[in-house]
Amino acid sequence: DAGVIQSPRHEVTEMGQEVTLRCKPISGHDYLFWYRQTMMRGLELLIYFNNNVPIDDSGMPEDRFSAKMPNASFSTLKIQPSEPRDSAVYFCASSFSVAEAFFGQGTRLTVV
Amino acid sequence: AQSVTQLDSHVSVSEGTPVLLRCNYSSSYSPSLFWYVQHPNKGLQLLLKYTSAATLVKGINGFEAEFKKSETSFHLTKPSAHMSDAAEYFCAVSLVEYGNKLVFGAGTILRVKS
Repeated sequence: DAGVIQSPRHEVTEMGQEVTLRCKPISGHDYLFWYRQTMMRGLELLIYFNNNVPIDDSGMPEDRFSAKMPNASFSTLKIQPSEPRDSAVYFCASSFSVAEAFFGQGTRLTVV
Repeated sequence: AQSVTQLDSHVSVSEGTPVLLRCNYSSSYSPSLFWYVQHPNKGLQLLLKYTSAATLVKGINGFEAEFKKSETSFHLTKPSAHMSDAAEYFCAVSLVEYGNKLVFGAGTILRVKS
């Protein structure tokens, strides 16, 4: 198995633009997580899905952030409009359980 | 209250000497506990996990951790550090109080000197 696959690996965008991050989970995993990692706040859970259904989005910072999981093999995290404070590394992870996570390589987002 | 605390933000050891990375948790229940490692520009990789079986857990790359309920600790150890162990290490806990979601500590950066 190739593991969790995220794209792009790096994204540089201008403030106000829409950004879409993509994730392909490990086949068979029914949990999918989106995390954000920053120096100031560490690793934060933004949202997680179970069987493609959003279960807990309490970590999503504000309405500019949205996440979807249209099928078991694909998820997106969208930021619209993006702001410089959204600059971070965004990780997707998947698992058979809510209490574990296998991480992708991350997407480093820079908003200028 | 912080549910998981990593007591050291940085640890520096010499190659060949023991490694100790400390982690404490706060919970009224028995948690599941994890250690992850993150090398630069990489994702987090699971080192080991405790889920109410044996209290001494062995992981990959020679690491192990011991769950001590009386001390609410889950410290990570390795008898002899290698240069390749230099990375950031995260302790994580899954607690009933938080819907069993993983909550991560702030991380400990391990430096290995030659």
